[in-house]
Amino acid sequence: KAGVTQTPRYLIKTRGQQVTLSCSPISGHRSVSWYQQTPGQGLQFLFEYFSETQRNKGNFPGRFSGRQFSNSRSEMNVSTLELGDSALYLCASSLETGQGQPQHFGDGTRLSIL
Amino acid sequence: QKEVEQDPGPLSVPEGAIVSLNCTYSNSAFQYFMWYRQYSRKGPELLMYTYSSGNKEDGRFTAQVDKSSKYISLFIRDSQPSDSATYLCAPTRGAQKLVFGQGTRLTINP
Repeated sequence: KAGVTQTPRYLIKTRGQQVTLSCSPISGHRSVSWYQQTPGQGLQFLFEYFSETQRNKGNFPGRFSGRQFSNSRSEMNVSTLELGDSALYLCASSLETGQGQPQHFGDGTRLSIL
Repeated sequence: QKEVEQDPGPLSVPEGAIVSLNCTYSNSAFQYFMWYRQYSRKGPELLMYTYSSGNKEDGRFTAQVDKSSKYISLFIRDSQPSDSATYLCAPTRGAQKLVFGQGTRLTINP
């Protein structure tokens, strides 16, 4: 069974640009969550999507947004990029939402802002 | 105060040793407790998943949760060089929002 697939693996952008990251969950998984990982802050929850609806949201500015498609694939968008947005962005999928469902992570997209 | 506290290490032990990794947390609403292992340049890999207090064993790994003291532990027996990685504890209340500790960087020396 294929794992969580994230594309692209690496991205380099400049301040002010916008970026879209993609995540394909494990087949059959309907919940997709996004996390940001930095050396200083560690892993922080961005948001979760289930059935094309945002179910939970972390404490990030509105520049961070996402969506989920009917096939459960998800995209995350960051607008007006700032230097502090440089991070590893991780996507995790689980079968369902709620009840502490185990989440399985992809290898992430490493975003560098110049 | 962070919701989840974890000693970042680094922790270095000889091959074959028993490793103890620990986290404390402040939110008594946490019910589900996960441990992840992360190798360099890879995403976190789910190691253990427990619900409420008690022990859970899987091969060389044992997860322990003490909700009365808000203390989470992961024990690795007969540690191997391939266990060298960063270990992250991640409790949750039930929503799909994991709250991660800072991670402990572990090195097993041959």
